[in-house]
Amino acid sequence: EVKLVESGGALVQPGGSLRLSCAASGFSFNKLWMTWVRQAPGKGLEWVANINEDGSEENYVASVEGRFTISRDNAKNSLYLQMNVLRVEDTAVYYCARRGDDFDLWGQGTLVSVSS
Amino acid sequence: DIVMTQSPDSLAVSLGERATIHCKSSQNILFTSDNTNYLAWYQQRPGQPPKLLIYLGSRRQSGVPDRFSGSGSGTDFTLTISSLRAEDVAVYYCQQYYNAPLTFGGGTRVEIK
Repeated sequence: EVKLVESGGALVQPGGSLRLSCAASGFSFNKLWMTWVRQAPGKGLEWVANINEDGSEENYVASVEGRFTISRDNAKNSLYLQMNVLRVEDTAVYYCARRGDDFDLWGQGTLVSVSS
Repeated sequence: DIVMTQSPDSLAVSLGERATIHCKSSQNILFTSDNTNYLAWYQQRPGQPPKLLIYLGSRRQSGVPDRFSGSGSGTDFTLTISSLRAEDVAVYYCQQYYNAPLTFGGGTRVEIK
């Protein structure tokens, strides 16, 4: 079955860190760009970061640049998002999505709550 | 950054009637070398992740019913649902991928009248 499954979301205090994971299955993970998109509660979609096939190119939205790091392990068919210095405004459901431009497959998302 | 502006914010349409959603980009997103618009449309049903409906402005994703169509070019785009069904109740988003950062419109909520 072709799917993406996110994990790692949690409640964390401002300034804290969290690492999200996305397990991919059913397709050639190592041949595709991958992306993280987030959605704050009751709000719209925001692109966060993407990464190329071999992990040599990364792009970020300005609001997370320097705090978040996207990475991948093609041997494990997994995508990651290391989130440091978390802010209240980072509270959102984080989706893993396939491809780097338009996104043809999405996971169910994992909730990150940043609150004291 | 390219700003994507959708209108209306919400609309209520009777079953079987047409729903039309507009999306305007702050910059041209037509790649002239191949005459391709780098625009996608997504449907997000309540409690679900988004689903890709349309890519490259007007190409329907595999498995998407043909009542969904995308049109437009340059800076002005439209998503049309030709005959609304109950399962089309959702929020619809446009998204440009002409350049980074990739940006989404604010969404249009479609409800049944």
